[in-house]
Amino acid sequence: GAGVSQSPSNKVTEKGKDVELRCDPISGHTALYWYRQRLGQGLEFLIYFQGNSAPDKSGLPSDRFSAERTGESVSTLTIQRTQQEDSAVYLCASSLDPGITQYFGPGTRLTVL
Amino acid sequence: KQEVTQIPAALSVPEGENLVLNCSFTDSAIYNLQWFRQDPGKGLTSLLLIQSSQREQTSGRLNASLDKSSGRSTLYIAASQPGDSATYLCAIGGSNYKLTFGKGTLLTVNP
Repeated sequence: GAGVSQSPSNKVTEKGKDVELRCDPISGHTALYWYRQRLGQGLEFLIYFQGNSAPDKSGLPSDRFSAERTGESVSTLTIQRTQQEDSAVYLCASSLDPGITQYFGPGTRLTVL
Repeated sequence: KQEVTQIPAALSVPEGENLVLNCSFTDSAIYNLQWFRQDPGKGLTSLLLIQSSQREQTSGRLNASLDKSSGRSTLYIAASQPGDSATYLCAIGGSNYKLTFGKGTLLTVNP
């Protein structure tokens, strides 16, 4: 009965480096979402995957951000050439189907020095 | 663009009180509304989900209402306990059910 898991839990990197964040959704969940929460801000939507459909990338803040998902399993969020403003908690959520409860992972806290 | 506002930003109450948290949103064309709690260092825990066709949902001591026409939702917590202390987030499900969040209400329940 595992929930959504994310790794790493914490990541400290230097400005300009690339980082990769991982999300393992709940088994069988077709929908997967990435959000980020910057200090003092509300959670912001980044990207949405549903089955084999084209992802909804409308929330990605720049072309330095990309994400992949293979089928209905693991997803990775990649940030290239990190900037200090990328520092945030990155949260992943999954749901059995779109439109029903989204279950969130514990997040990855990214700090860009 | 959907905007979500939560009032108050912070609330401190003595144990046992009933309380109401408020959420307002600007675009009434929503798919659903979800209330979460967030504990420090942890992810979000879903509390209640209200579909756009529904007006309220209840779970234990929690009751959430939805009034789409006025762009409002409330989360009612009965007989509050210290364990209810957390940040409560209101989130609106839009197209593709992606959520737009408010900044939350930080609730402290004092023993």
